[in-house]
Amino acid sequence: SVLTQPPSVSAAPGQKVTISCSGSSSNIGDNYVSWYQQLPGTAPKLLIYENNKRPSGIPDRFSGSKSGTSATLGITGLQTGDEADYYCGTWDSSLSAGMFGGGTKLTVL
Amino acid sequence: QVQLVQSGAEVKKPGASVKVSCEASTYTFTDYYMHWVRQAPGQGLEWMGRINPKSGGTNYAQKFQGRVTMTRDTSISTAYMELSRLTSDDTAVYYCARAYIIGLYGFGYWGQGTLVTVSS
Repeated sequence: SVLTQPPSVSAAPGQKVTISCSGSSSNIGDNYVSWYQQLPGTAPKLLIYENNKRPSGIPDRFSGSKSGTSATLGITGLQTGDEADYYCGTWDSSLSAGMFGGGTKLTVL
Repeated sequence: QVQLVQSGAEVKKPGASVKVSCEASTYTFTDYYMHWVRQAPGQGLEWMGRINPKSGGTNYAQKFQGRVTMTRDTSISTAYMELSRLTSDDTAVYYCARAYIIGLYGFGYWGQGTLVTVSS
């Protein structure tokens, strides 16, 4: 994937975790980043759009930020129900194409 | 509530083509690009391309250029994705997806997914 995410992260219930997404000047550096949660067997769910905005219904335990060519998803107050795969996504202005990170599996120990 | 309803699962032989439909409802179909994303078993999300339902204009990922065709029928608010010369590597769940906000890449609405299995 053009966008680089760690394959896995883990933390204990109640703790905080961050997931990074690294790209380049033509994608993250030039466009908004979105984040998705995917539970097994279901379609992805939008958690964050425009780098740091939450759709209605998404709790404020989820946050997003962007700096330069990298973005970060933060999740606080971890719950066992947060165990899922998380993907970042953005547009690439040079390729005129969308893209996703390779995904990060979150384990809540 | 925005709804994207996709066609059912398909089983195809190598070399064949598959056409997946995505019927949109409860919004103005021509206001939002329709994107197609696929996910192979145990793998990540892969953006395939998008279509502008108003103009019919398309952008395809380089990987699928020459093999994918995205079309639409505005009279029935339906988008289509056709993939040709299928191989076993094309076995995946195919999703249509719409932006949460007009002009945005972030996909707030997804179809239920269509499993395409390529097997001899």
